[in-house]
Amino acid sequence: EAGVAQSPRYKIIEKRQSVAFWCNPISGHATLYWYQQILGQGPKLLIQFQNNGVVDDSQLPKDRFSAERLKGVDSTLKIQPAKLEDSAVYLCASSPGQGVGDTEAFFGQGTRLTVV
Amino acid sequence: SQKIEQNSEALNIQEGKTATLTCNYTNYSPAYLQWYRQDPGRGPVFLLLIRENEKEKRKERLKVTFDTTLKQSLFHITASQPADSATYLCAWGNTPLVFGKGTRLSVIA
Repeated sequence: EAGVAQSPRYKIIEKRQSVAFWCNPISGHATLYWYQQILGQGPKLLIQFQNNGVVDDSQLPKDRFSAERLKGVDSTLKIQPAKLEDSAVYLCASSPGQGVGDTEAFFGQGTRLTVV
Repeated sequence: SQKIEQNSEALNIQEGKTATLTCNYTNYSPAYLQWYRQDPGRGPVFLLLIRENEKEKRKERLKVTFDTTLKQSLFHITASQPADSATYLCAWGNTPLVFGKGTRLSVIA
């Protein structure tokens, strides 16, 4: 079975520029997560989708971050404008369950963003 | 708000010994706790899930316990090997899936 696909793998941008990340979850997985992982820390949830609806986006900086899940499948995460503190790895994960933690999450390799 | 803590940032042990990692939670009691392994430059990989009504779960050399009185989960790797060196993350298995900071385990040959 194919895993969670993310692109690009690496991205370097200047502050105040915009950037977009793409995620293709495992086929049939209803739950999709976007996490931000700063070096040396655990993943921090940005947004959780259940099919194409948002379950939790309480920690998403909505003045600069946006995310959507197209037709309940692929998802994009956008940052506009980027700040230096946005430098991190952005991880996408999917899960076959209903997002209540009773099933494992499958992670992609992540996109490493560097803002200079 | 719910909070999950992994008190040790790093743990060094000798090959062959048992590694024990701790995960504590505060406020709300999770219905599930999950443990993941993360290698440098890669996404986390699921290892084990334990439910609140389960005291212990095992998978090969891995064992997880869940103590709702102490509000703690312990993760054990028996007969540890250098290949077990990685960062181990616990996650609060509720909506949303909340992770601790992780413990970096180094197994020294």
